[in-house]
Amino acid sequence: TQLLEQSPQFLSIQEGENLTVYCNSSSVFSSLQWYRQEPGEGPVLLVTVVTGGEVKKLKRLTFQFGDARKDSSLHITAAQPGDTGLYLCAGANPGYSTLTFGKGTMLLVSP
Amino acid sequence: EAGVTQFPSHSVIEKGQTVTLRCDPISGHDNLYWYRRVMGKEIKFLLHFVKESKQDESGMPNNRFLAERTGGTYSTLKVQPAELEDSGVYFCASSQDTLMGQGFGYTFGSGTRLTVV
Repeated sequence: TQLLEQSPQFLSIQEGENLTVYCNSSSVFSSLQWYRQEPGEGPVLLVTVVTGGEVKKLKRLTFQFGDARKDSSLHITAAQPGDTGLYLCAGANPGYSTLTFGKGTMLLVSP
Repeated sequence: EAGVTQFPSHSVIEKGQTVTLRCDPISGHDNLYWYRRVMGKEIKFLLHFVKESKQDESGMPNNRFLAERTGGTYSTLKVQPAELEDSGVYFCASSQDTLMGQGFGYTFGSGTRLTVV
């Protein structure tokens, strides 16, 4: 069974601060995705990383896939209250189109 | 385009009753998935349809759960009889293809929150 450990589980910061969320596994994934979920809604895809060592930027968000494709990180620069939400990482299981999810990181950005 | 639609959004039923959840995927998406999040746990895979066929149902917890996808369009997930541990949020997602490519990702519905009392 593949597992994804996400940390921290909860993060409360002030507007303007930087933060990093980590997603780690002992298993290799064919790709890794980051989703953001708001209360009462389903997860919304932010990015997919496929190649080991890949870095993708989405405005103030930087996503990195580990060289061995077992881990990933999400870095947010100058966080804003609008960034508040549950961030989920999900690994695509090799040979399948199913996803293994982490438990998520609840981010609260206060003005 | 319309997104993935799920209903009901909430359902409260008594133990032993039957509940049917429905999912309408994005038009043209052959792949439809059901996932579930139980409180305190991660979102977990239940099953995957390609058109009307079950591609992978390895995540279905037991035979009280029955999923169908009539004509390869909408899907239903029936729980009969419901147990307390079935409570959680049931998500449906769809995708156009299954390639693990750069743009691969699901479009999720808003979920159905099921409470069994």
